[in-house]
Amino acid sequence: GIQVEQSPPDLILQEGANSTLRCNFSDSVNNLQWFHQNPWGQLINLFYIPSGTKQNGRLSATTVATERYSLLYISSSQTTDSGVYFCAVDDYKLSFGAGTTVTVRA
Amino acid sequence: NAGVTQTPKFQVLKTGQSMTLQCAQDMNHEYMSWYRQDPGMGLRLIHYSVGAGITDQGEVPNGYNVSRSTTEDFPLRLLSAAPSQTSVYFCASSPDRATPQHFGDGTRLSIL
Repeated sequence: GIQVEQSPPDLILQEGANSTLRCNFSDSVNNLQWFHQNPWGQLINLFYIPSGTKQNGRLSATTVATERYSLLYISSSQTTDSGVYFCAVDDYKLSFGAGTTVTVRA
Repeated sequence: NAGVTQTPKFQVLKTGQSMTLQCAQDMNHEYMSWYRQDPGMGLRLIHYSVGAGITDQGEVPNGYNVSRSTTEDFPLRLLSAAPSQTSVYFCASSPDRATPQHFGDGTRLSIL
């Protein structure tokens, strides 16, 4: 199956800071999604982004499919951004990365 | 519209017991999937279905059975629970392969 690697594994931020999370994948994909798992364990779909760039408020994502990576940008981070961010690929049979744990301190 | 509903939310079993985790969606989605999440790891696909009567294995299918008799329901069965199946289980659905999946809130299962 497709291998998905995320970096960094952990990220500690001061409130207001910006950050970039990276997702590398081992093969071409038709689908790439970014999720946020909140402290209650719920998975929130952030972006469906097989290619190109999308923005949603303080979050944006870019996928360069030809180079097999995607980036998630968090700007002006808030404590509510804390949680685990997952990248997942490959349609309805998703392969997940191990996630990046983000802690935003007030 | 309740989305994807998983029951129960929590369950403790003894080794060797059987159990069915329920997943229901009211969005008429054809595609449904079961994943498990273990500490420090991303979700891994157990089984999936592309429509009523059609199921297939994912990455970690051993020890689990599924069936899909209706579009709405996709139960996951543990026939003889083992401690290695202690995990958080997520069910997801989507209308087609190109649309993002909707995830349920998960079932936390502990096997002693």
